Formats: sequence, C-alpha cells, structure tokens
Amino acid sequence: DTGVSQDPRHKITKRGQNVTFRCDPISEHNRLYWYRQTLGQGPEFLTYFQNEAQLEKSRLLSDRFSAERPKGSFSTLEIQRTEQGDSAMYLCASSLLGRGTDTQYFGPGTRLTVL
Amino acid sequence: DQQVKQNSPSLSVQEGRISILNCDYTNSMFDYFLWYKKYPAEGPTFLISISSIKDKNEDGRFTVFLNKSAKHLSLHIVPSQPGDSAVYFCAASGTGGFKTIFGAGTRLFVKA
Repeated sequence: DTGVSQDPRHKITKRGQNVTFRCDPISEHNRLYWYRQTLGQGPEFLTYFQNEAQLEKSRLLSDRFSAERPKGSFSTLEIQRTEQGDSAMYLCASSLLGRGTDTQYFGPGTRLTVL
Repeated sequence: DQQVKQNSPSLSVQEGRISILNCDYTNSMFDYFLWYKKYPAEGPTFLISISSIKDKNEDGRFTVFLNKSAKHLSLHIVPSQPGDSAVYFCAASGTGGFKTIFGAGTRLFVKA
C-alpha cells in the first residue's frame, strides 16, 4: 500500500508529558501537511512542508508544538507538556505540487487523548 | 472567521435517491474546491474536485457544481447507496493551494 501512513494510531498520555507522532507521505509527494481535527469540526491546518522546508505555521501551533521533515520524506510532530485541550485527531496529508492544484491525500490519523 | 461553511450538520436520504450536500465560501481568492468523505476512525478520503474555471465536474455517481457568483458549491450523489453514509467535508484553497480550508462537515445517512 502506498498511501499516507501515520504512527501511532492512538496515543493516551498524561498531562505534562511529551508525545511525538510520525507521518510517512506518499513517496513521490513533495508537500506534507499536518492538521488537527476535533469532534464536529473539519480538519484545521497546523503547518506544511515543501520538501524539507517548513513554509507556514498556523497560529494554532503554539510553541509547545514542533514539526520536522528532516530529509524531505517522513515528518514528525512533537507536542511538549501536553494539555487536555490537545486531545484531538492529528491528521497528516501529502500532495504533489503541480499545475496550480493541490489535492491532498490523508493518512488515517493519530488520535491523542490527554488525561 | 469561517471561510468555508457547511450549514447542514446532517442529511438523511433514501437509498436510490439523490443526495445533495451544500457548501458556501466567503473568500473570492479560492480557486480550487474539493470534497472529501470520512468514515469513523479513518482519515478523510479525496472524492472529487473542481477548478474555478469550470462549473461542473462529474465522476461516476458524484457530480460537483460550482456557482462562483454565489460562492456556492454542491455535491450530488446519485443514486445514493448505504455505503455512502459518512461525513462529507467541503474544502477550498487558493492558487498554489498550500492552505486548504475545510468546512465542518455534513453527516450523510443513506437509509436502505
């Protein structure tokens, strides 16, 4: 299967702990996105990479959040000192930039529960 | 500021009939629009898209209509099938497409 994969699928942690999520995009895709989705809402943009460069970050991404894509392939999203409000589904998507359109393909998500 | 709005949280349709899901947007800079389908415990799955240079795009049972003057798009599913029961998200992006804005979703129930 050559779709977007995310690991882990579920994470339960205690408030104050650090967590890290991984995303492996579709191999030929040069763009990678992170979104957060809470119940009853659509995905909210957090940040995106073009190759290894992080080109935009949402104001939703506080200084406790950091994302990397060191070699332009997989990406990690780390949340430090987790809070209960961080509980959400974290979605990764990838796309291939071309001809002005950007169809993003999503992974299955990582569901984070902060106790 | 909700730039993409799906005003119907849910929709119930009989199997075999047409499902029409609606979406409104406010930003005239959007020029690419997408629909995604999401089942529980899965990520959104791309369904169909339309560029602002078109007013209609069709793929099998799915057709998206775009009315730029009204800043409105709709997704038609015909005939509807029970397997179409899912949450449908409308999304929009600008040229270059790096920031895609999603609506809150409409939950479709197709009754057998």
